[in-house]
Amino acid sequence: GAGVSQSPRYKVAKRGQDVALRCDPISGHVSLFWYQQALGQGPEFLTYFQNEAQLDKSGLPSDRFFAERPEGSVSTLKIQRTQQEDSAVYLCASSLESGASYNEQFFGPGTRLTVL
Amino acid sequence: AQKVTQAQTEISVVEKEDVTLDCVYETRDTTYYLFWYKQPPSGELVFLIRRNSFDEQNEISGRYSWNFQKSTSSFNFTITASQVVDSAVYFCALSGEYSSASKIIFGSGTRLSIRP
Repeated sequence: GAGVSQSPRYKVAKRGQDVALRCDPISGHVSLFWYQQALGQGPEFLTYFQNEAQLDKSGLPSDRFFAERPEGSVSTLKIQRTQQEDSAVYLCASSLESGASYNEQFFGPGTRLTVL
Repeated sequence: AQKVTQAQTEISVVEKEDVTLDCVYETRDTTYYLFWYKQPPSGELVFLIRRNSFDEQNEISGRYSWNFQKSTSSFNFTITASQVVDSAVYFCALSGEYSSASKIIFGSGTRLSIRP
């Protein structure tokens, strides 16, 4: 069966450009998570959706970051006016049920964003 | 505060040696979950194990074993008879039932290299 897919796999942006990163979770998965992974670091939580509801966005680093999941399946992470410090791998994960504590999260391959 | 510490940044061993990856965590939750993930060069995080805070039994799965000790807040991971395919970055992670119920807190990872 298909796993979590993300597109594009690689994105190069000039500083100040807007970018949109897409995540296709596993079909039927209720929960969707976005993480940011800087080089040499572990993933850091950005935001969490349960179906179409964004229940936790405490990890978004600034108001330039915006995520949506309008129909409870595909999600888009948008970064406005990109800065060099936004360069990282952005990981998407989904899980079958709500919450993270007791459910296995399945991760996508990530989108590597490089801001020049 | 929730925190995961993986003090070993990099480990290199010769194939067939046993290797232990250390993980120490901090949490105020009485109910929490601990995870190990593997991140091979392809970048996709692969789930290895989840344990809850009430289950301190050690677990063995093939060449992998995990030692959970609440008294020392540690959840160490041992690979027996290591193989080149085990080369990857390994992340220990934590999710608390209340303080971080919708997110996983990752350590900074241990890069494991297995030399032939």
